Amino acid sequence: DTAVSQTPKYLVTQMGNDKSIKCEQNLGHDTMYWYKQDSKKFLKIMFSYNNKELIINETVPNRFSPKSPDKAHLNLHINSLELGDSAVYFCASSATRTRTDTQYFGPGTRLTVL
Amino acid sequence: GNSVTQMEGPVTLSEEAFLTINCTYTATGYPSLFWYVQYPGEGLQLLLKATKADDKGSNKGFEATYRKETTSFHLEKGSVQVSDSAVYFCALSDGPGGGNKLTFGTGTQLKVEL
Repeated sequence: DTAVSQTPKYLVTQMGNDKSIKCEQNLGHDTMYWYKQDSKKFLKIMFSYNNKELIINETVPNRFSPKSPDKAHLNLHINSLELGDSAVYFCASSATRTRTDTQYFGPGTRLTVL
Repeated sequence: GNSVTQMEGPVTLSEEAFLTINCTYTATGYPSLFWYVQYPGEGLQLLLKATKADDKGSNKGFEATYRKETTSFHLEKGSVQVSDSAVYFCALSDGPGGGNKLTFGTGTQLKVEL
């Protein structure tokens, strides 16, 4: 069983479209995250939810909207896609928000905006 | 704010060579420190971690020691294998005050040749 799964693995779309990426974890964790990895492989936090409550919202354009329907799921919806949104998006989860907790990452979703 | 600096890559080594990847950090609190590894086309996997000063994390022959006095967490392995070829990320987590987000270094690509 995959601990943290994401769908789709690849997403190719046109500028201006709206798309969603889904994430599910079966680890029973309370906290989930979205990270963005750019073309130079630099990783940066976007959002974090703890027990369905938004706790981190970095300086991300408001075209990006996360939604957590329950503790096991964290989805990312992107409106009006731009070329600069092309990246690999990783979902992660941890048992709690404690700094010692390991974050477990999904396989990533490679988004290409044409 | 928090930051992580790691040595520029790519690093190319012959099999059985000794590996060091330097990592230093700046943090306002008392962070936990992590090394993650990313194999081509995959997500991030935890390699090792340390949660307090002088702790040594180890896994699969890799080691790193949390040095508070030098704010460092250098990754070492005594004898690398071709299968160790990957991108290695140093990261810190500063706990609930910062939402437990991971702050990553830029990543160091390692290539091991026969």
